[in-house]
Amino acid sequence: QAVLTQPSSLSASPGASASLTCTLRSGINVGTYRIYWYQQKPGSPPQYLLRYKSDSDKQQGSGVPSRFSGSKDASANAGILLISGLQSEDEADYYCMIWHSSAYVFGTGTKVTVL
Amino acid sequence: QVQLVESGGGLVKPGGSLRLSCAASGFTFSDYYMSWIRQAPGKGLEWVSYISSSGSTIYYADSVKGRFTISRDNAKNSLYLQMNSLRAEDTAVYYCARGGMNPWGQGTLVTVSS
Repeated sequence: QAVLTQPSSLSASPGASASLTCTLRSGINVGTYRIYWYQQKPGSPPQYLLRYKSDSDKQQGSGVPSRFSGSKDASANAGILLISGLQSEDEADYYCMIWHSSAYVFGTGTKVTVL
Repeated sequence: QVQLVESGGGLVKPGGSLRLSCAASGFTFSDYYMSWIRQAPGKGLEWVSYISSSGSTIYYADSVKGRFTISRDNAKNSLYLQMNSLRAEDTAVYYCARGGMNPWGQGTLVTVSS
């Protein structure tokens, strides 16, 4: 079982909200981790969006719109990237990441399509 | 502005070696830990290695441990990745990134093939 699991794809309409999940493997408690989120468009390197551990420990990337926000769902043991007011330019791959056992671990990635 | 520029990629035969470089500018390089990350064609991101700001602490992914060596020269604002005993599965775009992966360089392609 992967350390971080993301849905492979998600589709939504322009203007809608999209909730991307990053589920931690059983036995790894989401509450203890900073979760980082990156956006990657075809042919480009990933770009840092934000990191989130709690409402008192979070950071928005420079120039990243406030419609990108992070949170956690403790009951699901998951980190969440919420994209509000989806725009066509948000169509991209999204990856989560944590620092775990002396290694960075990336999620499997979610491809977001804006219909 | 902050800039990271990778170089040194190319085509190499299985079992061969390659040294990647990452030139940093626009920030105080010696203040930041750095990482190498790779992405195989059409695949997701895989973290490769981490080095602390002073170079005293280093970590590797299990997939490259014993074959790859990360290093840095703070006087030259440069990060390196020495890759030995290369395998076909090491074929990927290799990125360097600052701190919590912010920002990333444009990447350099490494192809391992006979």
